[in-house]
Amino acid sequence: DAKTTQPNSMESNEEEPVHLPCNHSTISGTDYIHWYRQLPSQGPEYVIHGLTSNVNNRMASLAIAEDRKSSTLILHRATLRDAAVYYCILDIIQGAQKLVFGQGTRLTINP
Amino acid sequence: EPEVTQTPSHQVTQMGQEVILRCVPISNHLYFYWYRQILGQKVEFLVSFYNNEISEKSEIFDDQFSVERPDGSNFTLKIRSTKLEDSAMYFCASSRNTGLAGGVEQYFGPGTRLTVT
Repeated sequence: DAKTTQPNSMESNEEEPVHLPCNHSTISGTDYIHWYRQLPSQGPEYVIHGLTSNVNNRMASLAIAEDRKSSTLILHRATLRDAAVYYCILDIIQGAQKLVFGQGTRLTINP
Repeated sequence: EPEVTQTPSHQVTQMGQEVILRCVPISNHLYFYWYRQILGQKVEFLVSFYNNEISEKSEIFDDQFSVERPDGSNFTLKIRSTKLEDSAMYFCASSRNTGLAGGVEQYFGPGTRLTVT
């Protein structure tokens, strides 16, 4: 399985933007980049995904490097509710799309 | 907004007993998954299921585990003879389709906490 590397933890302040980095240097051309998050005591929650172009949705933006070896999840105005573990996952097209979770980045939001 | 539901929220069982964890996926989804998360550890893939058969399973998913879609709405995970190390949160997920086109999100349920004593 292609691997991703994320910082173990990050901290930010409420109402400020947050940039969560992910390195995936062994990504192949057809691998989608997915982000999920897991709030305390809850199941993982889909955030966003992309292939080559930057993507925006109501939750976040995803900026993908031109060589696709890294990506950044952007939360434009963090709230306390955004405190969670964020996972960067490569969606490897080989059948049933199992998600391979790493340790993720634990994001702390200060009031 | 449609969501995946799971029952029970917490199951306590004795070692060696059988347990069945239940999930109701989102109604128009075709692909179903089970994951587990041992306390303090990563979320781990167990099995995926499509068209009434297993599509893929991990090494964790041994002969003690089975999955079934007994009717049009439920998706179950059975553990035949539970061990202490089966204690974990078990998450069910579903998706509309799968990775042939890539980039399809999975929707997770809230989980069932299984405690084996």
